[in-house]
Amino acid sequence: AQTVTQSQPEMSVQEAETVTLSCTYDTSESNYYLFWYKQPPSRQMILVIRQEAYKQQNATENRFSVNFQKAAKSFSLKISDSQLGDTAMYFCAFMKQSGTYKYIFGTGTRLKVLA
Amino acid sequence: SAVISQKPSRDICQRGTSLTIQCQVDSQVTMMFWYRQQPGQSLTLIATANQGSEATYESGFVIDKFPISRPNLTFSTLTVSNMSPEDSSIYLCSVDLRSHEQYFGPGTRLTVT
Repeated sequence: AQTVTQSQPEMSVQEAETVTLSCTYDTSESNYYLFWYKQPPSRQMILVIRQEAYKQQNATENRFSVNFQKAAKSFSLKISDSQLGDTAMYFCAFMKQSGTYKYIFGTGTRLKVLA
Repeated sequence: SAVISQKPSRDICQRGTSLTIQCQVDSQVTMMFWYRQQPGQSLTLIATANQGSEATYESGFVIDKFPISRPNLTFSTLTVSNMSPEDSSIYLCSVDLRSHEQYFGPGTRLTVT
């Protein structure tokens, strides 16, 4: 069975600084997808970034980038130039490439951006 | 992406009653999912709802407690039956649009008294 671990329950960062959120996972699958979702206080889940396991290149979306280490089963999210609107819960998620399309979510990291 | 709406956005219900939550998508999708998010917790998948077939429930969730309907490719309902305070949670629906990405509705906040 797959598991996803986020070891940082809470983090804070000063506005305009850079912060990295950690995520590790355990799987015997070789093909899968990894995601970071953001859930602000409004509770709407928003897809931040996604990574296919077969791609060696790390995904990037504007200020958000990942460090994907397949051998280490690590998938961290880096937020550059943090903004107050980045304050939210961040969830890491895993999905097998084949089968049921089910997500396995981590427990989340609460990020607070300080003015 | 897609526009996903849920009704109601929130409700306060008495123990022993049932509540039906609706999820509407503005495009046709094959796979829809229902999640529960207990206060301060992560998301737990309740069931997968594909049009034209019975919903597939995850371990710990049963059809008698959480019956699901999926009458067409744009709509689904989740009923929380015989509610107890332990059912107080946010319930979210999501859809798998393409390329193995899920998009979520805004959620329904349920409080059971």
